[in-house]
Amino acid sequence: EPEVTQTPSHQVTQMGQEVILRCVPISNHLYFYWYRQILGQKVEFLVSFYNNEISEKSEIFDDQFSVERPDGSNFTLKIRSTKLEDSAMYFCASGRDGGGETQYFGPGTRLLVL
Amino acid sequence: SQQGEEDPQALSIQEGENATMNCSYKTSINNLQWYRQNSGRGLVHLILIRSNEREKHSGRLRVTLDTSKKSSSLLITASRAADTASYFCATPTGANNLFFGTGTRLTVIP
Repeated sequence: EPEVTQTPSHQVTQMGQEVILRCVPISNHLYFYWYRQILGQKVEFLVSFYNNEISEKSEIFDDQFSVERPDGSNFTLKIRSTKLEDSAMYFCASGRDGGGETQYFGPGTRLLVL
Repeated sequence: SQQGEEDPQALSIQEGENATMNCSYKTSINNLQWYRQNSGRGLVHLILIRSNEREKHSGRLRVTLDTSKKSSSLLITASRAADTASYFCATPTGANNLFFGTGTRLTVIP
């Protein structure tokens, strides 16, 4: 069964450094998402991406964040200058349909900013 | 804004018992979804119920939706130790994204 994959599984970085989190969505899906979950808290939406552009973003997704689909398979989240409060689990998700239909989540990347 | 709030926050039961979790939300929706999250892992989609449905089954899962009360419940029958996880309801918000509730942490004791 196809699944969403994410790399790396864990990332430790120093405050102020740039990180790139990578995702390979399910191949026939058209909608792509990033969410994050701070330890012990709820899953929060960051950004959705469709047709090679951002379709929606939350207040969390400020100028320090960017997303890219550099080729036909990868979907990346870049944090330009990490802050301590960026420490969280970051989940990529993809869906065949938009409009709040079922989304399929990857296993996550645990980011720790020191 | 959408708010999915589950209760209870935590639930501990014996293997073989049924587990019921509830979710409330605030605004109109076209569907409601339940996801499971094993500790430190990704979210797994369990079931989607549409606003014109009142009840839906999938294996040992039974989901109900009451749009007049803006609430949903997830029932897991004959629970197993492997059902130990956090369970979240999620509702569509905005154009495409999902709003997740705070989750119920279920522990099934063997």
